[in-house]
Amino acid sequence: QKEVEQDPGPLSVPEGAIVSLNCTYSNSAFQYFMWYRQYSRKGPELLMYTYSSGNKEDGRFTAQVDKSSKYISLFIRDSQPSDSATYLCAMSGDYKLSFGAGTTVTVRA
Amino acid sequence: DVKVTQSSRYLVKRTGEKVFLECVQDMDHENMFWYRQDPGLGLRLIYFSYDVKMKEKGDIPEGYSVSREKKERFSLILESASTNQTSMYLCASNHPRGDIIIKGPETQYFGPGTRLLVL
Repeated sequence: QKEVEQDPGPLSVPEGAIVSLNCTYSNSAFQYFMWYRQYSRKGPELLMYTYSSGNKEDGRFTAQVDKSSKYISLFIRDSQPSDSATYLCAMSGDYKLSFGAGTTVTVRA
Repeated sequence: DVKVTQSSRYLVKRTGEKVFLECVQDMDHENMFWYRQDPGLGLRLIYFSYDVKMKEKGDIPEGYSVSREKKERFSLILESASTNQTSMYLCASNHPRGDIIIKGPETQYFGPGTRLLVL
């Protein structure tokens, strides 16, 4: 069983829709939770970071962590075609990261 | 802005060749990492280094070695390339004592990747 499970999709939504992405994990030692965005043929870039249970908002993006359920989510409101990318969850208890497989999202204009 | 650069964007090599992938970061980061990324498998850690001349095996080190002679440069070496090493290779770096307040101690900064094809 992988430490981090993420549905690879793909996910296709119309412009303006809410995108919901999820990851589950098995390692209770994970303390830091991140979402990376990766455009085609580019390296991943950090989108959101959190270290506690609860919600964190940044513009149209909301990251949610539920440590008791070992479940994290990313919501994208009012999605735009420029949000089309692969989204990777990542988590860590030390300086090494464990990544999900990534979910490919396409936002249709 | 943090910049991580990789020596090649695309590389085509033959089975059995020795392959060098270079990574350079310009932010004086202590930790550097090499990953490979394959569809459905996500990023898997090959090796990492927490200081010059120091290295640790990641999850899939077989068939690879690394070299870190200078703080800013981390090289991945495929001693004898095989077709199952065809993949996207990503280098990353971070500074465990930096960016803590804003971005957390674990945030890694990635290069653009090298897409390697072994024939």
